[in-house]
Amino acid sequence: GAVVSQHPSRVICKSGTSVKIECRSLDFQATTMFWYRQFPKQSLMLMATSNEGSKATYEQGVEKDKFLINHASLTLSTLTVTSAHPEDSSFYICSARKDTSHTEAFFGQGTRLTVV
Amino acid sequence: QKEVEQNSGPLSVPEGAIASLNCTYSDRGSQSFFWYRQYSGKSPELIMFIYSNGDKEDGRFTAQLNKASQYVSLLIRDSQPSDSATYLCAASAAGNKLTFGGGTRVLVKP
Repeated sequence: GAVVSQHPSRVICKSGTSVKIECRSLDFQATTMFWYRQFPKQSLMLMATSNEGSKATYEQGVEKDKFLINHASLTLSTLTVTSAHPEDSSFYICSARKDTSHTEAFFGQGTRLTVV
Repeated sequence: QKEVEQNSGPLSVPEGAIASLNCTYSDRGSQSFFWYRQYSGKSPELIMFIYSNGDKEDGRFTAQLNKASQYVSLLIRDSQPSDSATYLCAASAAGNKLTFGGGTRVLVKP
């Protein structure tokens, strides 16, 4: 399968600071990347969909000014959690798809964010 | 209303038995369906995908799709303790977005 690399795998930050998470597709060009958040014992919640070169589409209830998404190239998308608070502590996972026709999405390793 | 539904489990099966997981979806526009396995604290990994009615086999796994009834299932044959995980069903309609079910926790007992 295709490889999606997410970095960092774990990060601890202080309240009020910002954290950037990177998601790279290593061996394919991803037309679309997705960002998810997962709280303990819950399923994946889609936060936003990003397409290369255009603005991300956020799901209802997700603050776009707080969760900044940039998809500058076909192999890199970033999620920045701005002014982080303890309630933002979660497991953030990105995934990437090659195209829209029946193809599967591959997931990065996830980032465990802890805001103290 | 959730668009993709799964029984949360846990589904407990003895080692060597068949584990049967079900998933229903509400969006008739869904075209592709995926099964992912997620171990605790890890991100999901793809097991298989299916988009045509019928069965699709890959090793010990068989996915079944019935679009008329709007359900997808996954069979795990010869279940092993290493298969103990949460299994996520996902559906994709036009627009590229994957919608996930809540996951079914499977416990394979030696």
